[in-house]
Amino acid sequence: EAGVAQSPRYKIIEKRQSVAFWCNPISGHATLYWYQQILGQGPKLLIQFQNNGVVDDSQLPKDRFSAERLKGVDSTLKIQPAKLEDSAVYLCASSLAPSGANVLTFGAGSRLTVL
Amino acid sequence: AQSVTQPDIHITVSEGASLELRCNYSYGATPYLFWYVQSPGQGLQLLLKYFSGDTLVQGIKGFEAEFKRSQSSFNLRKPSVHWSDAAEYFCAVGSSSGSARQLTFGSGTQLTVLP
Repeated sequence: EAGVAQSPRYKIIEKRQSVAFWCNPISGHATLYWYQQILGQGPKLLIQFQNNGVVDDSQLPKDRFSAERLKGVDSTLKIQPAKLEDSAVYLCASSLAPSGANVLTFGAGSRLTVL
Repeated sequence: AQSVTQPDIHITVSEGASLELRCNYSYGATPYLFWYVQSPGQGLQLLLKYFSGDTLVQGIKGFEAEFKRSQSSFNLRKPSVHWSDAAEYFCAVGSSSGSARQLTFGSGTQLTVLP
């Protein structure tokens, strides 16, 4: 089966610019997650979708980050305006149902560098 | 709130030597526990998981982990390390209740394998 697809793999922008990341989960996976992984740290959940609804976005910096999952399949994560501290790898993951006992499958990630 | 601690930031072992990576978790109920591995430039790959039953679980690539409730630990082991095992390893705990059943990661342990 195809894995979780993410693009772009790498992005370099200046601070205050905007950027968008795209994710296509595994077919049939109802739950989609965006994680932020800062260098030297473990992944931190930003937002969790169940189909096209948001289940948890409590750790999403809503003044600059936004995400959507139209039609319950693909998802886009946007940052506007970017700050230096947003430099990280943005990982998309999907699972059949909300995690707990369900296994998350991760994409390769999108590495963002903010100058 | 659930949390995971990986006390060792970096571990170096010689090829062929045994390996143990430590993981301690905090969670109020029976946890769902995972070990993921991340190679450079790659997403996270599931090594093994514990949901219930036998406290010694086997995973891919010859890894195993033991759940010890009394010590709140889920340490990862491998009897003989291969050079290809060099990577970063993340322990994670999944919540078993609530509408947003999230995965919380530790900060990771970087493994270096000497020839």
